Amino acid sequence: SQQGEEDPQALSIQEGENATMNCSYKTSINNLQWYRQNSGRGLVHLILIRSNEREKHSGRLRVTLDTSKKSSSLLITASRAADTASYFCATDATRTSGSRLTFGEGTQLTVNP
Amino acid sequence: DAGITQSPRYKITETGRQVTLMCHQTWSHSYMFWYRQDLGHGLRLIYYSAAADITDKGEVPDGYVVSRSKTENFPLTLESATRSQTSVYFCASRRQGEAFFGQGTRLTVV
Repeated sequence: SQQGEEDPQALSIQEGENATMNCSYKTSINNLQWYRQNSGRGLVHLILIRSNEREKHSGRLRVTLDTSKKSSSLLITASRAADTASYFCATDATRTSGSRLTFGEGTQLTVNP
Repeated sequence: DAGITQSPRYKITETGRQVTLMCHQTWSHSYMFWYRQDLGHGLRLIYYSAAADITDKGEVPDGYVVSRSKTENFPLTLESATRSQTSVYFCASRRQGEAFFGQGTRLTVV
C-alpha cells in the first residue's frame, strides 16, 4: 500500500491564490520530499524536509512537517498558470526500506489564468 | 547530455512478447529504481538496485526482471507482456537526498 496519501486529489484555483496540498504517511521517516510532474513528463524534485525539521522554504514553496501526526503540507504562494501540474509527496524511510522513496497518488493542481 | 535517459519513449507490444525498457544515467548514482505509474495508483516501485549486481524487489515485481551489470544502466524486462502491464514506466536514480527521474516510457500491451 502507498506510504503517502495526498489530499485533495484535485485542486483548482485562480492565478494569484495560494495552493495547499497535504500528505499523510504511515511509518517513521528520515525525510519527506515533494515532487512535481507536468503532463507527460517525469517527476522533478521540489523540496526535501528532514524528520528533525518542522518547516522549510524555497522560493514560493513552503513545506511543513509534523512527525507526531505523520503529515506534511506543501504551500505554493501567489500561484501562476505555470504551476499547473501534479504534485507528489514521497517518503524516505531508509532505515527500513533501503533508500526507496514511496510515493502517494498525487494532487492535480490547476491554476486558472 | 548529463542526466537520466529512458528508451524507448513509446512502445506498443503484443501480449506474450518479451520487451526491455532501457535506462541510463550519467552521474554514477548508486541507487536506481523502476516505477510504474497508473491512474489511481500513483507511482509504484517495481524493482530497485543499490549498486551494480545488487537488486531487490519493490511493491509490484511480478512479471518483471531487472539486471544491473554496470552502475549506469538498469534495464527492465517484461518476460511475457500482459495487458495489465500497460502503463507509464519511470526510471530514477539517487545518490542521497533527491531522486532524478527519466522522461518515462509509455508501454501499451495489445
